[in-house]
Amino acid sequence: KNEVEQSPQNLTAQEGEFITINCSYSVGISALHWLQQHPGGGIVSLFMLSSGKKKHGRLIATINIQEKHSSLHITASHPRDSAVYICAANTGTASKLTFGTGTRLQVTL
Amino acid sequence: EAQVTQNPRYLITVTGKKLTVTCSQNMNHEYMSWYRQDPGLGLRQIYYSMNVEVTDKGDVPEGYKVSRKEKRNFPLILESPSPNQTSLYFCASSWVAGGINEQFFGPGTRLTVL
Repeated sequence: KNEVEQSPQNLTAQEGEFITINCSYSVGISALHWLQQHPGGGIVSLFMLSSGKKKHGRLIATINIQEKHSSLHITASHPRDSAVYICAANTGTASKLTFGTGTRLQVTL
Repeated sequence: EAQVTQNPRYLITVTGKKLTVTCSQNMNHEYMSWYRQDPGLGLRQIYYSMNVEVTDKGDVPEGYKVSRKEKRNFPLILESPSPNQTSLYFCASSWVAGGINEQFFGPGTRLTVL
């Protein structure tokens, strides 16, 4: 069992829908990252959080340390949000990130 | 512009032919790391470096070497590439101890070993 699990693996939504991607981890962490990977392959950091909630534009990330769970929400989804979303947890030594396998999101018109 | 650059972006080579993938960052970051990304397995750490002359193994270091002689550069060396090293490789950097700081990723290098 992976230390970091994401769900769903694939997600299709219509433009305007509210989207939630989930990430669960099985070990203690000091920070959790949400990353976005577009079809061209480049990876961009969206959020880094260790508690509570962060918001940037239409994106919201939350984390519940007690439940070992984080969610990424996209409000008013748009086709340009189509990408792979990856969560990554700092799981031990300060340098190490453990990654989920990603959620492939497609937003259609 | 703050960035992490990798070269080459695409490489097709043959088994056993030594190759180096370069990684450079212009943000004066102390921490740098190499990852490989494979379908169904996600990103996995190969090697990382906490600072100049300080490197350590990640989860999948076999078949790879790295060096950190200068703060800005962190090349990945495949001394004798094999087909199972065909993958998409990413270099990343951050201020310190990557887990608690945002990591900046390079554009990726797609390697095919025949």
